[in-house]
Amino acid sequence: KNEVEQSPQNLTAQEGEFITINCSYSVGISALHWLQQHPGGGIVSLFMLSSGKKKHGRLIATINIQEKHSSLHITASHPRDSAVYICAVRLRGNEKLTFGTGTRLTIIP
Amino acid sequence: NAGVTQTPKFRILKIGQSMTLQCTQDMNHNYMYWYRQDPGMGLKLIYYSVGAGITDKGEVPNGYNVSRSTTEDFPLRLELAAPSQTSVYFCASSHPKETSINSPLHFGNGTRLTVT
Repeated sequence: KNEVEQSPQNLTAQEGEFITINCSYSVGISALHWLQQHPGGGIVSLFMLSSGKKKHGRLIATINIQEKHSSLHITASHPRDSAVYICAVRLRGNEKLTFGTGTRLTIIP
Repeated sequence: NAGVTQTPKFRILKIGQSMTLQCTQDMNHNYMYWYRQDPGMGLKLIYYSVGAGITDKGEVPNGYNVSRSTTEDFPLRLELAAPSQTSVYFCASSHPKETSINSPLHFGNGTRLTVT
C-alpha cells in the first residue's frame, strides 16, 4: 500500500463547478504539499500545510492531522485549472518527500 | 531570479551511453533534489543534497551519480544508460530558512530522456 493515496485519479468537470481532490496518508508527517503539474510538464508548488487551512485565490487546502487527510478545493473552476494535482508528504524527521500519483483534472468550457 | 534551470529539455541516448543532466538554482537554496517521474507513478527521489559537499541516496539511486561542489549546481550523471532509465527527470530546490525542512519546493521544467 502506498504511503500517500490520492482520489480520484481522474476528474472531469464543467467550468464553474466546485472541485475537491483528496489525499490520505498512512504515517506521521511534519508537512504536506500540494503541487500542480501543467500539461507542458512544469511543476509548481501550491501550498505547504502542517495544520488547518490555507487559501490562495480560488484554491483552498485543508488538512486534518488526526484523520491523516488533506483536501484541495477549487472554487469557480476554469479550463486553465486543467492540470495534474499532486500531494506529497514529508515524514517526521526526514528531509525527503513521498509523492502521490496525482489527480488529473480536466475542466470543460 | 531564474529559479531552477534544467538542461537539456530532451535527450535520446543509446544503451550504454553516458550523459549529465544539469541543474542550477540562483535562490541560494541549501536543499536540492533529483526526481524521476514515470507514467502513472509518483515522483521518485533519486538523490538529494542538504548543502555543498553533501549528497545522499534517495529511493532509486542505482545507475546514477551526483555531485554538489557548489550551492548553485547539482548535476545528475548517468554512466551506462539503460532502457529502464527512460523517464522524465526533475530537479528541485528548497529555501534555506531555519525550518527549510518544511519549505515549499521549486522545480525545474524537467528533462525528458529516452534510452533506446
